[in-house]
Amino acid sequence: DAKTTQPPSMDCAEGRAANLPCNHSTISGNEYVYWYRQIHSQGPQYIIHGLKNNETNEMASLIITEDRKSSTLILPHATLRDTAVYYCIVIPRYNTDKLIFGTGTRLQVFP
Amino acid sequence: GAVVSQHPSRVICKSGTSVKIECRSLDFQATTMFWYRQFPKQSLMLMATSNEGSKATYEQGVEKDKFLINHASLTLSTLTVTSAHPEDSSFYICSARGGTGATNEKLFFGSGTQLSVL
Repeated sequence: DAKTTQPPSMDCAEGRAANLPCNHSTISGNEYVYWYRQIHSQGPQYIIHGLKNNETNEMASLIITEDRKSSTLILPHATLRDTAVYYCIVIPRYNTDKLIFGTGTRLQVFP
Repeated sequence: GAVVSQHPSRVICKSGTSVKIECRSLDFQATTMFWYRQFPKQSLMLMATSNEGSKATYEQGVEKDKFLINHASLTLSTLTVTSAHPEDSSFYICSARGGTGATNEKLFFGSGTQLSVL
């Protein structure tokens, strides 16, 4: 079973920030939080990951709560091309355990 | 950044034939590869996990004799759908993990293969 839960869908106006939540209440100490997105008929694209500190890169920011039980992916200025399904998954560091995807959040950015 | 190449991107075959899908890590050694299957508007479903040089571990409900996985080298894994039938039509995606340092922390995905069985 997936260790993450996400809302099935969200809408966001173009140019506004998109805040995508993820619950991972059973995360263990050696597991990272990863975010990927998938555009129709393509493989998932890596966005960002983190352990316990907030992270930022050219694509997004990741905010992880202090207890690590939830996180939020922030797309600061959403564009129409950001319309995709966003997956939050937990991945053990240096471990080859199977990786289970949850249902993801379908983000629709509208003009 | 690290790249995973998956081929073919699309294949159409007749019922009863076998189809091989290749997944290559281009600039890192993939100690572990994962194969997923995805139906329209659904999430990725893990089929099997393979470590280089050992037999793949299949998820419950996935027929190992139907979906043959070979991970003979650190840069190549193959999935063969044997005696394909229309119900095997789906989007198949591979992913790879390995390398060192920051690369090791990431999971990279291929671009997927759309299989259509007539």
